[in-house]
Amino acid sequence: DAGITQSPRHKVTETGTPVTLRCHQTENHRYMYWYRQDPGHGLRLIHYSYGVKDTDKGEVSDGYSVSRSKTEDFLLTLESATSSQTSVYFCAISESGVGYEKLFFGSGTQLSVL
Amino acid sequence: SQQGEEDPQALSIQEGENATMNCSYKTSINNLQWYRQNSGRGLVHLILIRSNEREKHSGRLRVTLDTSKKSSSLLITASRAADTASYFCATDHLGAQKLVFGQGTRLTINP
Repeated sequence: DAGITQSPRHKVTETGTPVTLRCHQTENHRYMYWYRQDPGHGLRLIHYSYGVKDTDKGEVSDGYSVSRSKTEDFLLTLESATSSQTSVYFCAISESGVGYEKLFFGSGTQLSVL
Repeated sequence: SQQGEEDPQALSIQEGENATMNCSYKTSINNLQWYRQNSGRGLVHLILIRSNEREKHSGRLRVTLDTSKKSSSLLITASRAADTASYFCATDHLGAQKLVFGQGTRLTINP
């Protein structure tokens, strides 16, 4: 997907280990988001950022932290992974530059916590 | 919960037919958006309709919004095999500062 790179694309880890997912954008957009997608729940917002070092919690933020030290990078960290965090994680940017409009999504990271 | 509900959960039609998906929500919105997701990929934005709009078109897509009924519909005309995907509505609720996604409709277009 042009403009957003998520890494890694796939990861298998063990319960209790720390995990960091990276989202890199080349478009210099202000707003960035982390969502998780699970069957039966759709997409749920974990955290979002509205600028460098400006972040806030979404609806399912427990167990996750984020950092944004540069405009282009938004990191999602699972401090101590649990099996309930097995999911597909999507990073998104707001193409319109206006908050929650016209999100552009990355290809996702499939995370399995064993 | 502000999460929208989509109907039907799954829809299978023949190529060339029209496909209609519905989305209902519970609280007032700034706008409603539709996204498509192909298997194994991220979501792709299709169309945005604001709360003061009733209908929008984009190519073969037609979206309607009825704020009195808190519902929206997405119509895909003259469907093609490439339209096979999951379709999600997402609502930007007043004061919520987040985009809330429904659980999606899985559309299958049969050749």
